[in-house]
Amino acid sequence: QLQLRESGPGLVKPSETLSLTCTVSGGSIRSSSYYWGWIRQPPGKGLEWIGSMSYSGSSYYNPSLKSRVAISVDTSKNQFSLKLNSVTAADTAIYYCVMATPSLFDPWGQGTLVTVSS
Amino acid sequence: EIVLTQSPGTLSLSPGERATLSCRASQSVSGNYNYLAWYQQKPGQAPRLLIYRASSRANGIPDRFSGSGSGTDFTLSITRLEPEDFAVYYCQQYGGSPLTFGGGTKVEIK
Repeated sequence: QLQLRESGPGLVKPSETLSLTCTVSGGSIRSSSYYWGWIRQPPGKGLEWIGSMSYSGSSYYNPSLKSRVAISVDTSKNQFSLKLNSVTAADTAIYYCVMATPSLFDPWGQGTLVTVSS
Repeated sequence: EIVLTQSPGTLSLSPGERATLSCRASQSVSGNYNYLAWYQQKPGQAPRLLIYRASSRANGIPDRFSGSGSGTDFTLSITRLEPEDFAVYYCQQYGGSPLTFGGGTKVEIK
């Protein structure tokens, strides 16, 4: 059964870059059927899709974040990553990594809280 | 951007009762299929996929969960609420970009 787990710093300073990694286990990231994505949820609020990428490099992003976001896939490590630059307090959220098929999200990682604060 | 509006914000019901949740899209999300999904999120957990294409249950989802609707109006029904069904439910559209979610409906124990 495919499982995803996020890792990365829980605290990022304003104006810096948020970097998270998702490790995929129980299956290969090298699947032409799937995309690998990120969704975030500010504490106590709703869900926002950030973007998705296939292992071959096809990607699409939420236009509201596109100028600040990069998703990459590392097939050698069965991982994919998120970078979000120039963060502010508004980027404080639980960040989930997900498998996407390509626009449905299942499964999800457990989520990791990232707080933007000095 | 397609905006999804969920109602009610909170639904207070007792176990065994029927729940009816609504999701309305600002424009049609239907084409060859109805591009509307539902997710369940329990406290402290990640969401999980319940329904896709408006009415198809995801793997392992009990048949007390059902979805319906087309165009701009969609409904998630839970026929007999079990204790584990009290959670927040989100709809998501994938008929247009960007992919968007509704604000959620909380189903709480009355």
